Amino acid sequence: QKEVEQDPGPLSVPEGAIVSLNCTYSNSAFQYFMWYRQYSRKGPELLMYTYSSGNKEDGRFTAQVDKSSKYISLFIRDSQPSDSATYLCAMSEGGSGYSTLTFGKGTMLLVSP
Amino acid sequence: DAGVTQSPTHLIKTRGQQVTLRCSPKSGHDTVSWYQQALGQGPQFIFQYYEEEERQRGNFPDRFSGHQFPNYSSELNVNALLLGDSALYLCASSPSLTGFSYEQYFGPGTRLTVT
Repeated sequence: QKEVEQDPGPLSVPEGAIVSLNCTYSNSAFQYFMWYRQYSRKGPELLMYTYSSGNKEDGRFTAQVDKSSKYISLFIRDSQPSDSATYLCAMSEGGSGYSTLTFGKGTMLLVSP
Repeated sequence: DAGVTQSPTHLIKTRGQQVTLRCSPKSGHDTVSWYQQALGQGPQFIFQYYEEEERQRGNFPDRFSGHQFPNYSSELNVNALLLGDSALYLCASSPSLTGFSYEQYFGPGTRLTVT
């Protein structure tokens, strides 16, 4: 079993739909949870960051972490064609100054006009 | 602020050759991490450099080595290239705060093709 599992998709939705992206993980030591967006042939761009369990909202994006279930989600409201990209979840145990990340495979999202 | 820059953008090498990739971190960042991203996969951690020393290493063979310079820029070297080394190589920089920093900024990557 991989440390971080993520459905690769593709996930196809019409413009304006609510999108739900998810990851599960097995390492209970993970404390920091990130979502990155990666456009084709580009580097990942940090979207959201959450520490431990709970919700965080930023504009059209909401990140949720449920540590008891080892499950994290990213919701995108009013999805736009420009949201079409691969979404990567990433996690870290944290610790003193060490910032290494463990990524999921990424979910490809396609938003059609 | 130029952000994280990487060179070259693309590279084609033959099996058995050696390659050097370069990274300049975001201004104010002194920690550099390297990741390998195979097609259709998430990035995998190779190693991290801070104060010119390798601080942590992922599950990669010794063919992968690195270096960090006094100006915080970094190089990734891969010897005896294999076809399986074909991937997007990503550099990420972060500030060396006490405790974990989620502020990892990625460069655009170098796409390496091994034939």
